[in-house]
Amino acid sequence: AQKVTQAQTEISVVEKEDVTLDCVYETRDTTYYLFWYKQPPSGELVFLIRRNSFDEQNEISGRYSWNFQKSTSSFNFTITASQVVDSAVYFCALNTGTASKLTFGTGTRLQVTL
Amino acid sequence: DAGVIQSPRHEVTEMGQEVTLRCKPISGHDYLFWYRQTMMRGLELLIYFNNNVPIDDSGMPEDRFSAKMPNASFSTLKIQPSEPRDSAVYFCASSFPREQVGGEAFFGQGTRLTVV
Repeated sequence: AQKVTQAQTEISVVEKEDVTLDCVYETRDTTYYLFWYKQPPSGELVFLIRRNSFDEQNEISGRYSWNFQKSTSSFNFTITASQVVDSAVYFCALNTGTASKLTFGTGTRLQVTL
Repeated sequence: DAGVIQSPRHEVTEMGQEVTLRCKPISGHDYLFWYRQTMMRGLELLIYFNNNVPIDDSGMPEDRFSAKMPNASFSTLKIQPSEPRDSAVYFCASSFPREQVGGEAFFGQGTRLTVV
């Protein structure tokens, strides 16, 4: 069975602080994909990144970076110099089938204040 | 592309009434998914289609729920009769096969359903 754990329910930071959101996954499959989605207060789900199980390279996109470590089954997400607009719920998700059906974590609510 | 389009955005209905949620996926996507989001259960997959054919409906909670995809550009999720515990945000998503570029799922803006 697939499982995604986001142990941090809620994080509060002050603007310009760096923040890391943790994600730990469980699967017996050797081929799988990991995702991060953002859900701002308006409610939509916004795709941020996709990673396949064969690519452990870390990725950076502007202030966002992702650290994928198969050895610890983790796919952590770091926001550098956080901004108020980063306030949202962030979901980590796992896909192990042919289709992009996702198993979601419970989400981490990030609150960035001035 | 306009993205995944869901309607209505908000729906308030009385217990026992039939509710129909609609979704237009991104053109060309092979897969369509219906998810439900609640505080208690988080985001859970209800059903998904591949090339208009239902593949896995194991997440559909009860026989009161049904979903159809009559063509590649339209899907419905129907609840009949509705109950207060069906109150949730229902998301539709679509994607290419995961191995393809763009295999990530793109979500609609959701339909917030309230059953009173």
